[in-house]
Amino acid sequence: EPEVTQTPSHQVTQMGQEVILRCVPISNHLYFYWYRQILGQKVEFLVSFYNNEISEKSEIFDDQFSVERPDGSNFTLKIRSTKLEDSAMYFCASSDGVTYNEQFFGPGTRLTVL
Amino acid sequence: AQTVTQSQPEMSVQEAETVTLSCTYDTSESDYYLFWYKQPPSRQMILVIRQEAYKQQNATENRFSVNFQKAAKSFSLKISDSQLGDAAMYFCAYFNAGNNRKLIWGLGTSLAVNP
Repeated sequence: EPEVTQTPSHQVTQMGQEVILRCVPISNHLYFYWYRQILGQKVEFLVSFYNNEISEKSEIFDDQFSVERPDGSNFTLKIRSTKLEDSAMYFCASSDGVTYNEQFFGPGTRLTVL
Repeated sequence: AQTVTQSQPEMSVQEAETVTLSCTYDTSESDYYLFWYKQPPSRQMILVIRQEAYKQQNATENRFSVNFQKAAKSFSLKISDSQLGDAAMYFCAYFNAGNNRKLIWGLGTSLAVNP
């Protein structure tokens, strides 16, 4: 069964450093998403991506964040200068936009900012 | 703005018994989808069950079923014959396929299953 994959599973970085979180969505999907979940808190929408551009972004998704689909298979989230409060679980999801609009989630990347 | 409310931060159930998790939502849209996701300790987000708002029939998936009350904007999850592996965080989520395609999440309910 096709699945969304994410790498790395855990990333530890120093405050102020840049990180890139990688996702490989399901191959025939057209809509891509990043969500984050700070430990013990609710899941928050960050950004949606369709047709090679951002469809919507949340207030969290400020100039420090960017997304890219560099090669038609990977979908990346870059945080330019990490802050302590960026420590969270980051989930990538993809959808074909048709079948129940179901979003399939990757296993997540745990980001720890020291 | 759409919102999702899960009023039960924690629930517990005895193994083999039935438990119901509550979810209410607020929207002015008529066409939307509702989902229950399970998040075990591994933190993987797993879809449990989905409901299309235009369908009157309640969705069922094996031991999992929903009670969808569109007028009341209520979407509860019933787990029958609870198993130890059902212990997890359960999130209710709303999706509108119009201009806004993001999932809107409740705060979650932590379910413990007692042997």
